[in-house]
Amino acid sequence: QSVLTQPPSVSAAPGQKVTISCSGSSSNIGNNYVSWYQQLPGTAPKVLIYANDKRPSGIPDRFSGSKSGTSATLGITGLQTGDEADYYCGTWDSSLSAVVFGGGTKLTVL
Amino acid sequence: QVQLVESGGGVVQPGGSLRLSCIASGFTFSSCGMHWVRQVPGKGLEWVAFIWNDGNNKYYADSVKGRFTISRDNSKNTLYLQMNSLRAEDTAVYYCAKRDKSIPLLQGAHLDYWGQGTLVTVSS
Repeated sequence: QSVLTQPPSVSAAPGQKVTISCSGSSSNIGNNYVSWYQQLPGTAPKVLIYANDKRPSGIPDRFSGSKSGTSATLGITGLQTGDEADYYCGTWDSSLSAVVFGGGTKLTVL
Repeated sequence: QVQLVESGGGVVQPGGSLRLSCIASGFTFSSCGMHWVRQVPGKGLEWVAFIWNDGNNKYYADSVKGRFTISRDNSKNTLYLQMNSLRAEDTAVYYCAKRDKSIPLLQGAHLDYWGQGTLVTVSS
């Protein structure tokens, strides 16, 4: 059971928008920065969002992040079939002194 | 460009040991904290360990504490994970990943570059 809670799966049609939630507590999301990772099938994870809402260079602005209290959200607009992947949130947990990840959300673009 | 290349994976019996290596290039290795993250095939990501850039501080997941040791040799641009007393549940792909310094230390988990992973199988 993961410290951070994500929905196991989400789906939407091409061109539509989807959001993926990540719920935690004051010891992790509530007081630390959240990152989001995309893992395409058979590849290593890649960071999409860091510091709650910042995109590394090369990440399209279709991807966005936000944080409120002890929850964070990844948004993806203009969905493409190439966005089908597993998405993970992650942060530092100050009580555990450990990095914690969500259980992952599988995105299906119908 | 940044490259992280893991090696050392393989098949080992329960109770056995294995040492993973991760050779880094394309950045100043001695300035960056480094992580190990693992993933059981078909399952989610599990963080394993983190080491500061100078090697003076280390953090471990409870699931590996006392059995695994993270270390580094900055003269060789190499990160290590010594795994002892291995169990079947340690079977996973092990990734090394670089910490990005844009987030203050111990306030986030911005792992900006990842290796391709090395598979460890613990089985008799």
